[in-house]
Amino acid sequence: DSGVTQTPKHLITATGQRVTLRCSPRSGDLSVYWYQQSLDQGLQFLIQYYNGEERAKGNILERFSAQQFPDLHSELNLSSLELGDSALYFCASSVVTSGRREQFFGPGTRLTVL
Amino acid sequence: DQQVKQNSPSLSVQEGRISILNCDYTNSMFDYFLWYKKYPAEGPTFLISISSIKDKNEDGRFTVFLNKSAKHLSLHIVPSQPGDSAVYFCAASAYSGGSNYKLTFGKGTLLTVNP
Repeated sequence: DSGVTQTPKHLITATGQRVTLRCSPRSGDLSVYWYQQSLDQGLQFLIQYYNGEERAKGNILERFSAQQFPDLHSELNLSSLELGDSALYFCASSVVTSGRREQFFGPGTRLTVL
Repeated sequence: DQQVKQNSPSLSVQEGRISILNCDYTNSMFDYFLWYKKYPAEGPTFLISISSIKDKNEDGRFTVFLNKSAKHLSLHIVPSQPGDSAVYFCAASAYSGGSNYKLTFGKGTLLTVNP
């Protein structure tokens, strides 16, 4: 158990809909990262928040957005869903020091868009 | 443009033997490297890491070697056990200021350890 929790574990929805994925980082970790894993792809970085502020963006679509709340949990919002958005979505948290950069991953949310 | 490459999609070894997983990278700004193990229906689990100031790091049965001139790293598992069967991801990080240490992942290698 990494200490990172994600809900829900599975999500099935229809094209055009909007969903929210939730992540709670490990106790004490200020940084949250979101990654997407599609079929045949490695994990692709989407976005990072640090202590409530957006710090970096990767290949995140404009239809996707995220935020980190004062209690440090984070939500990833996916809107106008398309079939191609079906994927595993992972969040990870880390302490963030230059000396150690390990990120600890949650169990993921499997999104299926029908 | 894939900056981290794991060219072997799969590897099969016998229990008790050595498993060697390889990873190549192209971005010379990467200065920290990590290996993760992933079982089906679970998130990636951190295994071992190495900073670019080192060329070797050991943790129990796991050793990571880094060859900066070749932009290559490898993970050695000795001895391999059936429970090691999983997908292994290589990841790399480049310091880009502030507190951003995003990871760039390879596509993974499926390791199967046969009893």
